[in-house]
Amino acid sequence: EIVLTQSPGTLSLSPGERATLSCRASQSVSSSFLVWYQQRPGQAPRLLIYGASRRATGIPDRFNGSGSGTDFTLTISRLEPEDFAVYYCQQYTTSPPMYTFGQGTKLEIK
Amino acid sequence: EVQLLESGGGLVQPGGSLRLSCAASEFTFSTYEMNWVRQAPGKGLEWVSYISASDGTIYYADSMKGRFTISRDNAKNSLYLQMNSLRAEDTAIYYCARDLGGWAGFDYWGQGTLVTVSS
Repeated sequence: EIVLTQSPGTLSLSPGERATLSCRASQSVSSSFLVWYQQRPGQAPRLLIYGASRRATGIPDRFNGSGSGTDFTLTISRLEPEDFAVYYCQQYTTSPPMYTFGQGTKLEIK
Repeated sequence: EVQLLESGGGLVQPGGSLRLSCAASEFTFSTYEMNWVRQAPGKGLEWVSYISASDGTIYYADSMKGRFTISRDNAKNSLYLQMNSLRAEDTAIYYCARDLGGWAGFDYWGQGTLVTVSS
């Protein structure tokens, strides 16, 4: 079973700064099957990035995903107030068929 | 706009059962794969189960196998989760989520229904 480890657990930044969030897999993951979500307090998760680097519909271009193999990154270029939330990575494996989430990174206002 | 509305949550005793429903609207439900995902209070997301659009393919997370059953009724635009032998650790908000397939992630989520397992 692949384990996704996100770091840091909490990231404290100010609006306008750049955020870099990491998602590391315990074994190689197909880039096609790596996804990022944002979850604001009291809300359901929101799809941000799929295929490691493709923005979902309606997602601003300040959100960028990158990486391959075991190391993936979500970068938010200039933080807006609404970006302070919890971010999760997720991967899908075919054998056995299952979906796994990372434990999340909380992005908080400094 | 796509809508997913969960219902059926509530308080149940350990060992009890509960059936969750997810009503879908404003999209062709029968053509989409669907999932259940849960989130314990103050914790992260945990995938529960997957069901294909129409061929009956089903997957479960290991900790749910044998206790949970996912199903769907495409004529009623509805997704279900039958939960048996519930434990305190099953306490969570349960979300239904539309699967883009491909695999492109879960693009729409309901607001969730809270299940509390406690005596």
